[in-house]
Amino acid sequence: NAGVTQTPKFRILKIGQSMTLQCAQDMNHNYMYWYRQDPGMGLKLIYYSVGAGITDKGEVPNGYNVSRSTTEDFPLRLELAAPSQTSVYFCASSYPPRPGKNTEAFFGQGTRLTVV
Amino acid sequence: GQQLNQSPQSMFIQEGEDVSMNCTSSSIFNTWLWYKQDPGEGPVLLIALYKAGELTSNGRLTAQFGITRKDSFLNISASIPSDVGIYFCAGQKGTSYDKVIFGPGTSLSVIP
Repeated sequence: NAGVTQTPKFRILKIGQSMTLQCAQDMNHNYMYWYRQDPGMGLKLIYYSVGAGITDKGEVPNGYNVSRSTTEDFPLRLELAAPSQTSVYFCASSYPPRPGKNTEAFFGQGTRLTVV
Repeated sequence: GQQLNQSPQSMFIQEGEDVSMNCTSSSIFNTWLWYKQDPGEGPVLLIALYKAGELTSNGRLTAQFGITRKDSFLNISASIPSDVGIYFCAGQKGTSYDKVIFGPGTSLSVIP
């Protein structure tokens, strides 16, 4: 199993450009998430999905869009890149939570995005 | 919004030393999670704690769920160079990951 795969690993965008960050998982997980990581700030949830066709906003969704047409894929779209979106982006997936127990989230290796 | 505080922010220790770090919050959580992020990688779960007062070990790592449910501690014994990385605590109120809140992390450097 490859786990959670993110592409690209690095990208430089100009202000106003758009791009899609790809995320794919082969563990048949229903739940998928997008986080951004800024220095000294921990991980902030951007969007998440509990299954194909279902998405919802996290803590910091502005400037981003997502779609979930299949269980495996959860792309993150930036329509008009801004310098504030310079960050490291992590995709994660998990099984649905089980009663009385948390569910481990598996993270990809991250995409480092710079907007200039 | 809700915030988790981690201390220390960074640590430089000699190989073989023990390490202690903690995570505090003004809110009560049902679950505490500790993740480690190696340089250039995504976070990986180390320990999950589900009950106030719970003490759980994973090899040289020991974590505790605070009695007040507002804090958690992670100890690493006999540190080795591969312990280098950022350690994140995360608190969870519900049972789904949209409600997980991550702390800012503790950066650990181990001097051989």
